[in-house]
Amino acid sequence: GAVVSQHPSWVICKSGTSVKIECRSLDFQATTMFWYRQFPKQSLMLMATSNEGSKATYEQGVEKDKFLINHASLTLSTLTVTSAHPEDSSFYICSAAVATNEKLFFGSGTQLSVL
Amino acid sequence: DAKTTQPTSMDCAEGRAANLPCNHSTISGNEYVYWYRQIHSQGPQYIIHGLKNNETNEMASLIITEDRKSSTLILPHATLRDTAVYYCTPLGTSGSRLTFGEGTQLTVNP
Repeated sequence: GAVVSQHPSWVICKSGTSVKIECRSLDFQATTMFWYRQFPKQSLMLMATSNEGSKATYEQGVEKDKFLINHASLTLSTLTVTSAHPEDSSFYICSAAVATNEKLFFGSGTQLSVL
Repeated sequence: DAKTTQPTSMDCAEGRAANLPCNHSTISGNEYVYWYRQIHSQGPQYIIHGLKNNETNEMASLIITEDRKSSTLILPHATLRDTAVYYCTPLGTSGSRLTFGEGTQLTVNP
């Protein structure tokens, strides 16, 4: 199947700093990517839809100025957690589909810990 | 988004079939039923999907009721590596936008 690569796998940062997470589609082009977050023992929560060449679409309750999404190419989307705080500590996962309405392939996730 | 209901947890003996049910009574006519699983601290993995007919692949079988209000994922010979949270979720024509319910924690025991 298609491969979605996510980097870094884990990151520890100080409160107030910004953290960037990269999501790449390695063997296909993705006009749309999706970002999820997951707290311990909870399900995945869709945060936003990342659209190549245009603004991301955020789910209700997700702060767009807090979670900056850039989808500058057909193979790369980035999520930047700005001014991170301990409550932003979570497992962040990206995904992409080979084609519209096709199944999603997921990255391996990024564990963010904010001290 | 169509709502799904799954048991919180299930146990299965290694080598036996694991049957995971999902209720999706509000699913729309053009929505497929997708199944994913998530092993601890990893990204979800696609398993199988279907619209009306039963489906089978190398990982599992999917049985969808005739009224499409529920489905069952079958792992024919469960192994310890199948221990994971299993999610069923509908996907229509919203451009691959998937949302997830709480899923079922399947534990395969030796």
